[in-house]
Amino acid sequence: DAGITQSPRHKVTETGTPVTLRCHQTENHRYMYWYRQDPGHGLRLIHYSYGVKDTDKGEVSDGYSVSRSKTEDFLLTLESATSSQTSVYFCAIKGSEGGQYFGPGTRLTVL
Amino acid sequence: GENVEQHPSTLSVQEGDSAVIKCTYSDSASNYFPWYKQELGKGPQLIIDIRSNVGEKKDQRIAVTLNKTAKHFSLHITETQPEDSAVYFCAASRGNNDMRFGAGTRLTVKP
Repeated sequence: DAGITQSPRHKVTETGTPVTLRCHQTENHRYMYWYRQDPGHGLRLIHYSYGVKDTDKGEVSDGYSVSRSKTEDFLLTLESATSSQTSVYFCAIKGSEGGQYFGPGTRLTVL
Repeated sequence: GENVEQHPSTLSVQEGDSAVIKCTYSDSASNYFPWYKQELGKGPQLIIDIRSNVGEKKDQRIAVTLNKTAKHFSLHITETQPEDSAVYFCAASRGNNDMRFGAGTRLTVKP
């Protein structure tokens, strides 16, 4: 599992509330990614990080922000959750040979 | 940006038969093509990948072929087993920070 944990694993929240998802890795990987997975869309990149305090936008970044203050932690924040952000969120790291390895996911429901 | 199409969306085979999943991509600059297996309730697992300087790669019962001219690549699973049942995703990227995924294929292997 590439030493990746995600928390929480499940969350139900209400529209308009802030939500922060956490990704933690134990193997000192430089690159970390946040994806969302929705039926019929596969996985879509939200944001990624290429080092501490270095982040960039992905394909579907609107409504999301990220922060990386330590190598091991990559946080995804929904400042004001909307129902369209109901999804399963996956964190990933880039391994030494270039492949991406995913965490177990967080199922988020916005009511 | 890159667009990846994956077919079929569902595939049912008898145990012992072969399964083939096909993907096409739009960006001729894409050079990295991974395949993922996702079991219910888990994160995607990298099972095999291929780079654009190679036409075919094999790992035990799974193989991937790449046709750069036609911009398509395929996953081949031989001697399928019930534990191969899962959702499979293809992806394509130029630099690994811009990975685009197909919509997925649900493979069912009947005992």
